[in-house]
Amino acid sequence: AQSVTQLDSHVSVSEGTPVLLRCNYSSSYSPSLFWYVQHPNKGLQLLLKYTSAATLVKGINGFEAEFKKSETSFHLTKPSAHMSDAAEYFCVVSDGVGGYQKVTFGTGTKLQVIP
Amino acid sequence: DAGITQSPRYKITETGRQVTLMCHQTWSHSYMFWYRQDLGHGLRLIYYSAAADITDKGEVPDGYVVSRSKTENFPLTLESATRSQTSVYFCASSESLGVGTGNTIYFGEGSWLTVV
Repeated sequence: AQSVTQLDSHVSVSEGTPVLLRCNYSSSYSPSLFWYVQHPNKGLQLLLKYTSAATLVKGINGFEAEFKKSETSFHLTKPSAHMSDAAEYFCVVSDGVGGYQKVTFGTGTKLQVIP
Repeated sequence: DAGITQSPRYKITETGRQVTLMCHQTWSHSYMFWYRQDLGHGLRLIYYSAAADITDKGEVPDGYVVSRSKTENFPLTLESATRSQTSVYFCASSESLGVGTGNTIYFGEGSWLTVV
């Protein structure tokens, strides 16, 4: 069975402080994992993805995520928040066997950055 | 680099009317998708297509119809719009979704639909 859980629906941080957005997944196969960002009234943009190579994945805008199989987690971090990081973030898991690969989105985490 | 374009971006329609949301991609990606985004539900898959003339239902297909006569276009039709179909609709595409590829899904900017 495939599922993804974003543990916080809202996260609030001060500008310049670290960001941690948590994501846990379940998968019957070797999954690919993604983080997407959505700014208001915009589509989803890929931040980073894990596809069974290095477990620490670096993305755009200083974000990174670490795949931890033992903890079934793929948390998104950034050392120092910027005002422009305020957006909604989606964790996505993709796996399958044979042809079509199933994709499941988390329900999203809204990041607020306080000046 | 046009990517994926959706039209209309904003639409208000009345209950019972037929509405078509258009989606066009310039990458010749095989896979195309329609998602709806609602508060508390995240993104839910309505329909997807693996190639021209091949479509299949996703998680929430009722009340929607799709077609894909050309690789680059994937219109979504609400045959008789209902208030519960008020939502933001995203079209997306991907080169491949084979096992282990981890291919990126690319999204359009969204279509905001209100049914009154």
